[in-house]
Amino acid sequence: DSGVTQTPKHLITATGQRVTLRCSPRSGDLSVYWYQQSLDQGLQFLIQYYNGEERAKGNILERFSAQQFPDLHSELNLSSLELGDSALYFCASSLGRGAYNEQFFGPGTRLTVL
Amino acid sequence: AQSVTQLDSQVPVFEEAPVELRCNYSSSVSVYLFWYVQYPNQGLQLLLKYLSGSTLVKGINGFEAEFNKSQTSFHLRKPSVHISDTAEYFCAVPNTGFQKLVFGTGTRLLVSP
Repeated sequence: DSGVTQTPKHLITATGQRVTLRCSPRSGDLSVYWYQQSLDQGLQFLIQYYNGEERAKGNILERFSAQQFPDLHSELNLSSLELGDSALYFCASSLGRGAYNEQFFGPGTRLTVL
Repeated sequence: AQSVTQLDSQVPVFEEAPVELRCNYSSSVSVYLFWYVQYPNQGLQLLLKYLSGSTLVKGINGFEAEFNKSQTSFHLRKPSVHISDTAEYFCAVPNTGFQKLVFGTGTRLLVSP
């Protein structure tokens, strides 16, 4: 158990819909990272927040947005969903802001778009 | 830009045999390297990391890796694998600004009896 929790574990929805994925970091960790894992794209970095502020953006679509709240939990919002958005979405947390810090991964949310 | 290349997409091996999973990196800044493991239906877990110092790094579950600057490699090894080592293994390096980890494409280790 990494100490990072993600909800829900599974999500099945239809094209065009909007979903919210939730992540609670390990106690004391200030950084939250979001990753997308799919068979064709592999593991792709989406976005990082550090202590409530966006720090880095990766291959995140404009239809996707995220935020980190004062209690440090984070939400990833995916809208106007397409079939190709079906993937595993991971959240990871670390103590510091740099990516040389160990990242602790949650169990992931499996999103299926029908 | 920083990148890692994992040359083998799949490595089949028999139980109790040694294994080496290859990773080559490209980096123009100070090198930090990571190996993560993903067991079926789970998130990623850190196996080991190289930040500085000794080039031989020991990790969890009996794995070790050697940082080789001249060959720009960070291969992962285990002298004797178990069935439970069956998983996907990812090599990773931070990008230039240390804002994110750049992952390799992964190597699936398949251990059979």
